[in-house]
Amino acid sequence: GESVGLHLPTLSVQEGDNSIINCAYSNSASDYFIWYKQESGKGPQFIIDIRSNMDKRQGQRVTVLLNKTVKHLSLQIAATQPGDSAVYFCAESGGSNYKLTFGKGTLLTVNP
Amino acid sequence: NAGVTQTPKFQVLKTGQSMTLQCAQDMNHEYMSWYRQDPGMGLRLIHYSVGAGITDQGEVPNGYNVSRSTTEDFPLRLLSAAPSQTSVYFCASIKPGVAQYFGPGTRLTVT
Repeated sequence: GESVGLHLPTLSVQEGDNSIINCAYSNSASDYFIWYKQESGKGPQFIIDIRSNMDKRQGQRVTVLLNKTVKHLSLQIAATQPGDSAVYFCAESGGSNYKLTFGKGTLLTVNP
Repeated sequence: NAGVTQTPKFQVLKTGQSMTLQCAQDMNHEYMSWYRQDPGMGLRLIHYSVGAGITDQGEVPNGYNVSRSTTEDFPLRLLSAAPSQTSVYFCASIKPGVAQYFGPGTRLTVT
């Protein structure tokens, strides 16, 4: 079946370092990808998205890279802060953003 | 502008009981959806709606019913609760082509 998955279940970084969270997807029809951040006890919070006609998109301290050739998505967080500690999910959809398929998530821990 | 609200925050049910999880949004979004999240897993789509009066099944619809009588509200009904339905439930309101906005979740335990 088609799925979205993450390479690393946990990631621990030092405050101030850059973080990279990876995601693989298998649905070649996917054309919309989203990264969410979920803090403990809260709902997922939108971080950044990208469409398949782009390979890079930048936000505030975050960058998403899309490699359609190998079906790989990554989230880069610059100058990681303790407040960035959370579980990060990638999600994808093919054609509509109301039917998202989520990956299992990566737990990011930022050490002071 | 409250965004997406969900009630209750916590609920404990006995096997066989029924209940309704409430979800409301004030962003005038046509699209809404319900997900469940089990420990250590991503969210899985239960049901979704593309407008008032229109609903459809997601990945894991069994044991749940939905209705959409207004744009604002999208309740999720558990007809006969089972321990397998112990989970955290998230409602989302969707701006097409932009993003999904999630509520704070309802933590449900079925004993």
